Formats: sequence, C-alpha cells, structure tokens
Amino acid sequence: GAGVSQSPSNKVTEKGKDVELRCDPISGHTALYWYRQSLGQGLEFLIYFQGNSAPDKSGLPSDRFSAERTGGSVSTLTIQRTQQEDSAVYLCASSHSQGRNTIYFGEGSWLTVV
Amino acid sequence: QKEVEQNSGPLSVPEGAIASLNCTYSDRGSQSFFWYRQYSGKSPELIMFIYSNGDKEDGRFTAQLNKASQYVSLLIRDSQPSDSATYLCAARLSSNTGKLIFGQGTTLQVKP
Repeated sequence: GAGVSQSPSNKVTEKGKDVELRCDPISGHTALYWYRQSLGQGLEFLIYFQGNSAPDKSGLPSDRFSAERTGGSVSTLTIQRTQQEDSAVYLCASSHSQGRNTIYFGEGSWLTVV
Repeated sequence: QKEVEQNSGPLSVPEGAIASLNCTYSDRGSQSFFWYRQYSGKSPELIMFIYSNGDKEDGRFTAQLNKASQYVSLLIRDSQPSDSATYLCAARLSSNTGKLIFGQGTTLQVKP
C-alpha cells in the first residue's frame, strides 16, 4: 500500500478483555516500530522489528503486552487483560532497514478501556 | 535524565515571525535526528532529518545540529497559523536496534 495501514482505527473495550491491533507497513520496509502515545504525552517506544525478529522489545510495559510479525510484513500488537491505563493511541511506523532511514507513521489505533 | 528533551511550551509567535524550537539529547553517539509535526488528533508527519553538524534548509524550515553540544533545533521562518501544532524531536540511538526516541514535543501557536 501507499502508506502504513493500521486497524482498527478506534477500539473501545471492557477492562480485562484482550485486544489485537494490526499494522500493515509500507511495502518493502523491513523495519517496523510500535509506539504508544497517551493523551497530551510524547511517543513511548514499545518494540522494534527487523524482518520477523524483534531485537528490541525493551519498551513493552508489562508481560500483558506482546507483538509478533509474520512474513516480514504485517505485525500484531496484543494486549491481554486490558487495564484503563492502557488507553492511548497505538502508533505503528515503518522504514527501510535502519540507520539513517526515516520512519513513517500510520494513523494509529485509538484504544479506550472502560 | 530523559534521552531526548524538549520544552513543552506553548511557544507563541506572531504570524510572519521566526519560530525557534530546541531539543537536547543525552546519547552522544546518536547519529541521526528528525523533526516531526503532529496536529491534534493526527499521527506525526516528518518535516526534516539531519545527520551532519551545521544547518539544513528546506523551504521555510531550517534544522540545525550541534553534536558537540548535543542539541538540535528547528527554525520556521515566516510562521503561519497553519504551522500551529506540536513539534516532536527524535534521535536515533547509536545502538544497532535503530530505535527512534522522541522528546515530549513542543506546542507551537502562531497567532494571526
């Protein structure tokens, strides 16, 4: 596709439920990133993929959060037993490899836990 | 100390003035730096990137990098009300993960 595509764009879930957020990166981009942005806050790094492997998962806030990437393309971020503090925009981004290559963001998935 | 720091603002400038946005970073080995603009409710969009010491100009925007002092700045000339947004500074750390660390962002208000 022309840009990074994320789904769902909006999700309201009950506390304790599991959610899956999907990211389809720009075609040919091998690097994929997940960030989280709470209301009025900056971007918090969650995890980075190079191909299907995740060399840096240091930002995942707890073991309720996990992510995978298959076929070097689509990635899924899963949040188990959601809590109200998980409410945020989850942004996916992609780039060619790493180094100096710029990253481009999707429109985000707005998650609200009630 | 945060890895990338910005003054949250708001920075208010009159239309037509120069807006100056600053950012400092802690990882001396960081090699590449990016400025993103984020409108309320939207995702960040890339404005400029800079790798080398000195200035880089693109239209009304100039990015400045001083690696010795570990700061990056963004100048916006002839500021327009449509420039009102949050500006995010990001640094790519020197590790091989390629992780991009963002500052908290500076809110810019351009008053007509």
